[in-house]
Amino acid sequence: DPKIIQKPKYLVAVTGSEKILICEQYLGHNAMYWYRQSAKKPLEFMFSYSYQKLMDNQTASSRFQPQSSKKNHLDLQITALKPDDSATYFCASSQEQGEREVFFGKGTRLTVV
Amino acid sequence: AQKVTQTQTSISVMEKTTVTMDCVYETQDSSYFLFWYKQTASGEIVFLIRQDSYKKENATVGHYSLNFQKPKSSIGLIITATQIEDSAVYFCAMRDNNAGAKLTFGGGTRLTVRP
Repeated sequence: DPKIIQKPKYLVAVTGSEKILICEQYLGHNAMYWYRQSAKKPLEFMFSYSYQKLMDNQTASSRFQPQSSKKNHLDLQITALKPDDSATYFCASSQEQGEREVFFGKGTRLTVV
Repeated sequence: AQKVTQTQTSISVMEKTTVTMDCVYETQDSSYFLFWYKQTASGEIVFLIRQDSYKKENATVGHYSLNFQKPKSSIGLIITATQIEDSAVYFCAMRDNNAGAKLTFGGGTRLTVRP
């Protein structure tokens, strides 16, 4: 059974719209992250959360907003979508912030048309 | 700033042979952690093995082992007795103490194992 669930698996959005990518982890981890993988760049760190608090934000744009409603949830809201936002977004987690092993979900592939 | 470079974009080997994938890294920190991940055809990213910079012994997990050459800032992944299902994209990554929880990834090496 997958321990980090991302929904939806595929998402098509219109330029200018807003979408929320869902992530839930059932590993009992306290730290959660978002990474992005596009055709142009390797896996790229976006955010880290620890105990539901934002610890690090390496995303230049404020259009990307993580939301943590529960300890094991870290959703990603993206507003004013652009074609360049097309990528696969991976949620990840680790027992604690900076823990050596980080585990990844299966990703949400976002296509902005 | 951290940087991870994988110069081999793709490798093809015969089944049951040994393959080595290269990775070099840059960091200003004296303490850091190096990782290898595998991304399967379905897109799933799987943690394989880790090397802590302060450890001299090369890490080994199953048929994965590392060739850690600290003076060269190099961390090669060795897969012995390759199997068809080892076909995937392999990513090298690092984290140092100045980066918090951030993992910096290389561009990946696509491994194809032929029967």
